[in-house]
Amino acid sequence: EAQVTQNPRYLITVTGKKLTVTCSQNMNHEYMSWYRQDPGLGLRQIYYSMNVEVTDKGDVPEGYKVSRKEKRNFPLILESPSPNQTSLYFCASSFFSGGEQYFGPGTRLTVT
Amino acid sequence: KNEVEQSPQNLTAQEGEFITINCSYSVGISALHWLQQHPGGGIVSLFMLSSGKKKHGRLIATINIQEKHSSLHITASHPRDSAVYICAVSPNTGNQFYFGTGTSLTVIP
Repeated sequence: EAQVTQNPRYLITVTGKKLTVTCSQNMNHEYMSWYRQDPGLGLRQIYYSMNVEVTDKGDVPEGYKVSRKEKRNFPLILESPSPNQTSLYFCASSFFSGGEQYFGPGTRLTVT
Repeated sequence: KNEVEQSPQNLTAQEGEFITINCSYSVGISALHWLQQHPGGGIVSLFMLSSGKKKHGRLIATINIQEKHSSLHITASHPRDSAVYICAVSPNTGNQFYFGTGTSLTVIP
């Protein structure tokens, strides 16, 4: 089944404790992206990747890191999480930039 | 600055009604996307448009590139259509996506 998977789905953590949210797709998509969704602000792009080893900042990259070592995986790293990073996070992929996106199920992160 | 504006923000309709959700954008685009998010969070792509009109079942999406405007129509609305509908654009310069803040639709039986 074609899908985008994210783990964990729910995470409660404390300020400053490094964490990684994994994202994997099995559709051989070139483009992958991370978004956060906050009430009243909608979806905002954090980082995206056009292909392996090619990543670029979206609108809200501060406090986040990404890597794209393999085509299928695009983990999101929070080196020192802060409460303002409490949000619902989505990973998505598509065949090309601008193409139809397939979204993961979301990761609800709470930073206390 | 918000590249994508949606209206209305909230919409309540009676079952069977014809529904229209509007999206305006301010940048040149390569494509416009309509997404659906049901309570519980999952997001699915409904349409990707670069011109004209597309239809899928009771859903119709149109786009006017010159006016930078798109509409999503739902005919014969049903309670299962209750969801948040999100408009997104892929600019024709750069590789980012920009999203509207969504329209929350509730269809009452």
